[in-house]
Amino acid sequence: GAGVSQTPSNKVTEKGKYVELRCDPISGHTALYWYRQSLGQGPEFLIYFQGTGAADDSGLPNDRFFAVRPEGSVSTLKIQRTERGDSAVYLCASSLRLAGNIDEQFFGPGTRLTVL
Amino acid sequence: AQRVTQPEKLLSVFKGAPVELKCNYSYSGSPELFWYVQYSRQRLQLLLRHISRESIKGFTADLNKGETSFHLKKPFAQEEDSAMYYCALSKSGGYQKVTFGTGTKLQVIP
Repeated sequence: GAGVSQTPSNKVTEKGKYVELRCDPISGHTALYWYRQSLGQGPEFLIYFQGTGAADDSGLPNDRFFAVRPEGSVSTLKIQRTERGDSAVYLCASSLRLAGNIDEQFFGPGTRLTVL
Repeated sequence: AQRVTQPEKLLSVFKGAPVELKCNYSYSGSPELFWYVQYSRQRLQLLLRHISRESIKGFTADLNKGETSFHLKKPFAQEEDSAMYYCALSKSGGYQKVTFGTGTKLQVIP
């Protein structure tokens, strides 16, 4: 079946604007993750959803960042009042989340966000 | 706090030579360790994890708790191994937050 998809693939915005990044996980995967990857760095954990709820949002850098997953499938990462430092590739991943196990995360292609 | 260190940004080896990508971690507890790989123009994907003790594409990695290391090794490099490799760590027991290192680019010279 189809893998994790993310839209848009590229987003250019101006400082101070609001952006939404979308993630469609693999069908049936209950867990969904967002990461941010800045140039020359590894992916940095932002938030993890189990079903509809955010099980761990400790990686969100500040209150300008917010993510939702209202029906337990598609997720949207929302960034308010964007800053130039928000420029990065935003990665989404999903997993089957078997109880008690670390299971394989499948990554999407990422959304490259550029804040001018 | 958990931290993963990959000291080499770039590692160049000749085809057929052995490969060792270094990874050290700091974590106060029992971690799960992983290697992820990203080939050119492809998505990030899991290569192997220490609990599986498996060899994938000829790569192996042994968790050394005494040295807090999880180095990735392959006896004979192939051109198709050229990629970006990330070492990653998570708390054991099913917790899903994964901490990644900064990555090492492996370049296999024909």
